Amino acid sequence: KQEVTQIPAALSVPEGENLVLNCSFTDSAIYNLQWFRQDPGKGLTSLLLIQSSQREQTSGRLNASLDKSSGRSTLYIAASQPGDSATYLCAVSGANSKLTFGKGITLSVRP
Amino acid sequence: DAGITQSPRHKVTETGTPVTLRCHQTENHRYMYWYRQDPGHGLRLIHYSYGVKDTDKGEVSDGYSVSRSKTEDFLLTLESATSSQTSVYFCAISERGARTDTQYFGPGTRLTVL
Repeated sequence: KQEVTQIPAALSVPEGENLVLNCSFTDSAIYNLQWFRQDPGKGLTSLLLIQSSQREQTSGRLNASLDKSSGRSTLYIAASQPGDSATYLCAVSGANSKLTFGKGITLSVRP
Repeated sequence: DAGITQSPRHKVTETGTPVTLRCHQTENHRYMYWYRQDPGHGLRLIHYSYGVKDTDKGEVSDGYSVSRSKTEDFLLTLESATSSQTSVYFCAISERGARTDTQYFGPGTRLTVL
């Protein structure tokens, strides 16, 4: 059974800092890995999707990498801003064509 | 934003009563999903649909049923609600499925079962 782990559960950084959020998964047989953002009381918003054949994807200040063989992904946020404060979830799509989610990392960016 | 609405947005009900949650999309996407989100468990898939009248179970399907009679609507029914079904329920849609596509999420329904 696929398990997705995100550690730590919470992170607080000062504004302007570059930061890395980590995600690990137990079964490397995946179709893709996705990063989502969730604001309090809201639904999830897709940030980046990396297909299993890709190594990374970039969108603005966000860069996500995937190392399928080691079961790891990172989400890099450059020059963090208070508006980046949210919970970030990663999810993997496996052989059952369903998404398995991590529990998320709650990020707080202090002004 | 993807055109996904969920109704109701909030509901309080009593143990043993039936409850139906509705997800409506205007994107004509083939795949629709129901998740529940609980502290300490994250998001877990309840049921999903890969077409009209085509549905399958997810990780936590016990106590839930679904129906999809039209492309745009996906209903989640709790036949006899229990306190353990108190949760936030999210609907999601996808054009080509989880193997290739991202999923777009609705705003959620907060359900409290007393």
